[in-house]
Amino acid sequence: QVTLKESGPVLLKPTETLTLTCTVSGFSLSNVKMAVSWIRQPPGGALEWLAHIFSNDKTSYNTSLKNRLTISKDTFKSQVVLTVTNMDPVDTATYYCARLVTGFNAIFDSWGQGMVVTVSS
Amino acid sequence: EIVMTQSPVALSVSPGERATLSCRASQSISRYLAWYQQKPGQAPRLLIYDASTRATGIPARFSGSGSGTEFTLTISSLQSEDFAVYYCQQYDTWPPFAFGPGTKVDIK
Repeated sequence: QVTLKESGPVLLKPTETLTLTCTVSGFSLSNVKMAVSWIRQPPGGALEWLAHIFSNDKTSYNTSLKNRLTISKDTFKSQVVLTVTNMDPVDTATYYCARLVTGFNAIFDSWGQGMVVTVSS
Repeated sequence: EIVMTQSPVALSVSPGERATLSCRASQSISRYLAWYQQKPGQAPRLLIYDASTRATGIPARFSGSGSGTEFTLTISSLQSEDFAVYYCQQYDTWPPFAFGPGTKVDIK
């Protein structure tokens, strides 16, 4: 059974750095056709893809936040970490990690439960 | 960069009725489209990929169609558990992955 679970702080102050961890099970981060993505959703809003990382450590970022995002992984710990610098109240959202399955398609077939992150002074 | 739009924004449907949701891409994406269902307080769930292939465990009342720039998700006979927000997502050209703004299906 594939599971993903997000962990991290629930409340940050403006300008602080957010560090979120996604711990996965049921699949390996060394699988070449799979990646782990981070996707966020502001309250009442739509889904916004942020970044992903593949088994070979190839990464991609949403260019609108590119300079603020860093994604990395520890294959042995089955963890993917996202850092977002200089957090602002507009970054208040539920942050999801999701498995991206590639090959003939590129779909998010499994999602974590989500982590609600609030940015407020 | 491909932009996804969805219509209507919200749809009120009685249980047992059919619901038809639309998704449009700003340029052709062939059939590289997925649909997700999101219930309140839950993560999105994959429903449909490759425009018309149901994901594992998805009931047959959910069907997808379309290609190019125009796509449709049809729920043939709405059940109480189907009231949710539905998002489309393109994967023809990525990254980035683009999601639509969503269509909320609620009870009439």
